[in-house]
Amino acid sequence: DIQMTQSPSSLSTSVGDRVTITCRASQSISNYLNWYQQKSGKAPKLLIYAASTLQSGVPSRFSGSGSGTDFTLTISSLQPEDFATYYCQQSYSTPWTFGQGTKVEIK
Amino acid sequence: QITLKESGPTLVKPTQTLTLTCTFSGFSLSTSGVGVGWIRQPPGKALEWLALIYWDDDKQYSPSLNSRLTITKDTSKNQVVLTMTNMDPVDTATYYCAHLDYVWGSSKNYFDYWGQGTLVTVSS
Repeated sequence: DIQMTQSPSSLSTSVGDRVTITCRASQSISNYLNWYQQKSGKAPKLLIYAASTLQSGVPSRFSGSGSGTDFTLTISSLQPEDFATYYCQQSYSTPWTFGQGTKVEIK
Repeated sequence: QITLKESGPTLVKPTQTLTLTCTFSGFSLSTSGVGVGWIRQPPGKALEWLALIYWDDDKQYSPSLNSRLTITKDTSKNQVVLTMTNMDPVDTATYYCAHLDYVWGSSKNYFDYWGQGTLVTVSS
């Protein structure tokens, strides 16, 4: 199985801050990498697919980059509605695997 | 507009078989490039991918659960059913079904619509 490791596991930050979350795959996955946002008690929401393509309707403050084993999700200016847990997920090979999540909290 | 909804028991006993149904609308599972997946999330923990079924009836399972899982589709009813045998308290989780959008051989391969999830508790 391909292991996905996110860092940090959590972070405390403020509205307006720039936030970067990293995701590392245990082997190369090309750009088969998706990012999801999950708010408490809700289903995950797709933010970015194929490492850097913004899903329709997702604000442009979200961006993704990377290829191979190292990926990043960046929120350019954090908004109040962005406080949530973020997951990366590889779709390169089954079993598809998720990272352990990064919880973005209010400082 | 695509919607999905999970249904099934909220409580099962250890060793029992869990049957969950995903009823969807807004797409057809007979259309190329479409699939439905199941993902679960134990309370306070991360997401775990369980199984996928594609429009052409190809199926993929998590190897760690493969012997316990079966996924099927009923295209006429717009439903996908997941069965999990020999349930254990560690299987307590919220179970989600999700619409898969993919292009074969490309990295366009993701869950873009999710159901609200259903919490299944395993306890005697």
